[in-house]
Amino acid sequence: AQSVSQHNHHVILSEAASLELGCNYSYGGTVNLFWYVQYPGQHLQLLLKYFSGDPLVKGIKGFEAEFIKSKFSFNLRKPSVQWSDTAEYFCAVNARNTDKLIFGTGTRLQVFP
Amino acid sequence: DVKVTQSSRYLVKRTGEKVFLECVQDMDHENMFWYRQDPGLGLRLIYFSYDVKMKEKGDIPEGYSVSREKKERFSLILESASTNQTSMYLCASSAGTSGSPRADFGPGTRLTVT
Repeated sequence: AQSVSQHNHHVILSEAASLELGCNYSYGGTVNLFWYVQYPGQHLQLLLKYFSGDPLVKGIKGFEAEFIKSKFSFNLRKPSVQWSDTAEYFCAVNARNTDKLIFGTGTRLQVFP
Repeated sequence: DVKVTQSSRYLVKRTGEKVFLECVQDMDHENMFWYRQDPGLGLRLIYFSYDVKMKEKGDIPEGYSVSREKKERFSLILESASTNQTSMYLCASSAGTSGSPRADFGPGTRLTVT
C-alpha cells in the first residue's frame, strides 16, 4: 500500500530564509508525485508535480522539488520565502497503476516579516 | 480549468441524522475522490470512484458510503452521523491514467455534528 510521510509538522521561518520540506513515500513501483498548498481560508491548489523526466521540477511562486528515486523522496524547496508563503503544504503520491491519490499529514509553514 | 463544486460550505447536523454531501465536476473526469481533512492528520481518503457506479474504499471508509450514478456527480453519505465525523470534507476529481493524474479540489464542506 502507498503511504506518504511528512516529517516537518510545523515550520517557522523569517522572510528571506530558505525552505526545505521533507516528503518520503513508500511504494515500490512507478509513481506520480505532487505538492499541494492550502493558503488560509482557501482550497487546495497544485504547487508542482512530477510525472517523469527531469527529477528537478519547478512549480509556481518560485517553488521547486527534487525527486530522488533511491531515497523515495520528493522534497520541496524555496530559496527565499515570503510572508505570503504562509500556508499548509501537502505532499501526495499516486501509483501509476492506480488512480488512488494519497496525501501526507501536511506541514504548516509560518513566515514572519 | 476544472471546476469542482460542493453543495454546501458549512453544514450542521445532529447525531444520528443521515447526511448527504454532494460534489459535481464539469471536466468529464473519470476519477472522483472524497477526503476528510483534520488538523495534524492531513487528508485521509474515504472513498474514490474510477467510473460510474464503480467505487473503492480508501483508508477510512467506516461510517461512510458513496454513490456515483452519473460521471459528473459523486455523493458522500453519512448513514448515521456521529460527533467524530465533524470535519472538513474535500471532494476532488482527476482525469485518471489516460490523462493528467493531477487532482483538482473543491472548496470543501465543513460539517459539524452536534
